[in-house]
Amino acid sequence: GENVEQHPSTLSVQEGDSAVIKCTYSDSASNYFPWYKQELGKGPQLIIDIRSNVGEKKDQRIAVTLNKTAKHFSLHITETQPEDSAVYFCASHPPGATNKLIFGTGTLLAVQP
Amino acid sequence: ETGVTQSPTHLIKTRGQQVTLRCSSQSGHNTVSWYQQALGQGPQFIFQYYREEENGRGNFPPRFSGLQFPNYSSELNVNALELDDSALYLCASTPGGHGSEQYFGPGTRLTVT
Repeated sequence: GENVEQHPSTLSVQEGDSAVIKCTYSDSASNYFPWYKQELGKGPQLIIDIRSNVGEKKDQRIAVTLNKTAKHFSLHITETQPEDSAVYFCASHPPGATNKLIFGTGTLLAVQP
Repeated sequence: ETGVTQSPTHLIKTRGQQVTLRCSSQSGHNTVSWYQQALGQGPQFIFQYYREEENGRGNFPPRFSGLQFPNYSSELNVNALELDDSALYLCASTPGGHGSEQYFGPGTRLTVT
């Protein structure tokens, strides 16, 4: 069935460094790839997304890249700050008439001041 | 804040009981999806409601059911609660069209004892 693998499960960086989280999806027909940030006790917050007709998208310190051939997509956070510390989830939207998202298992990002 | 609200924030139920969780979608969003998030895992799609009808379902048994009302708010009902139903239940609203951005509420933390 549809599956999204996410790595690493935990990531610790120094403030100001960059962080990269990688995901691989199984269904080559998937067409939408959002990233969510989840802080303790809160729901997931959409931070950036990319569609299958685009290879890269950037929003200030956050960027996402998509390699459709390899079925990989990645989140890049530059100039990390302590408030970036949270769990990050990637997701893919398989083809179909619903909004069903398949989520990865999450990455706990810790930014050390 | 996404404008998606959920109630209650948390509750404790006994195995075998029934529970109803509620969600108010963001203004103008006509599609609501429900997800279950077990501790340390990514959210898993339960089902989706559009125009008051269920139009997509994940791998959850029939004891998970729902409703959507004319104002697009929604309920998730779970019958015959099991210990494994303990999780964070999230609803997400979408402005319309599959593959659109989903905005999550803060969730309801359900504990089954």
